[in-house]
Amino acid sequence: EAGVAQSPRYKIIEKRQSVAFWCNPISGHATLYWYQQILGQGPKLLIQFQNNGVVDDSQLPKDRFSAERLKGVDSTLKIQPAKLEDSAVYLCASGQGGTGELFFGEGSRLTVL
Amino acid sequence: QKEVEQDPGPLSVPEGAIVSLNCTYSNSAFQYFMWYRQYSRKGPELLMYTYSSGNKEDGRFTAQVDKSSKYISLFIRDSQPSDSATYLCALGRTGTASKLTFGTGTRLQVTL
Repeated sequence: EAGVAQSPRYKIIEKRQSVAFWCNPISGHATLYWYQQILGQGPKLLIQFQNNGVVDDSQLPKDRFSAERLKGVDSTLKIQPAKLEDSAVYLCASGQGGTGELFFGEGSRLTVL
Repeated sequence: QKEVEQDPGPLSVPEGAIVSLNCTYSNSAFQYFMWYRQYSRKGPELLMYTYSSGNKEDGRFTAQVDKSSKYISLFIRDSQPSDSATYLCALGRTGTASKLTFGTGTRLQVTL
């Protein structure tokens, strides 16, 4: 079974530029999550989708971050404009909902200069 | 005060040692308790999942939950160099079990 796919794996941009990350969850998983993991910290939930609807985006900085999940499958996370403090690994995870068993991708590492 | 506290380490032990990793939490609404393992430059992977107080064993790994003390532990027996990774505790609330609150992670190094 294929795992969660993410791209790009690495991205370096300058502050005020924009960036987009893509995620393809495990087939059949209705729930998709974007987490932000800053170096030395645990993952922090940014947004949770159930199919193509948003369940929780309370910790998403909506002035600069946006996410969508079209057709309930793939998802993109966009940051515009980026700030230095956005340097982190952005992890996508999927699950079958209702449990804490999440399957994570390898992450997209963002460096903002 | 953070909802979930975890010592970041690093923790270095010799091969074959018993390792004890711990988290404390402050919110009694947490009812689901998980341990994820994260290798360097990889995503976390689920290691252990428990719902209630008590012990759960899986091979060399034992998860322990003490809800009265708000304390959870992961024990690794006969530790191997391949166990070298960061171990994250993750907690979920009733009704929103899949919305996890993670600890900071403890970095473990098992030496030969």
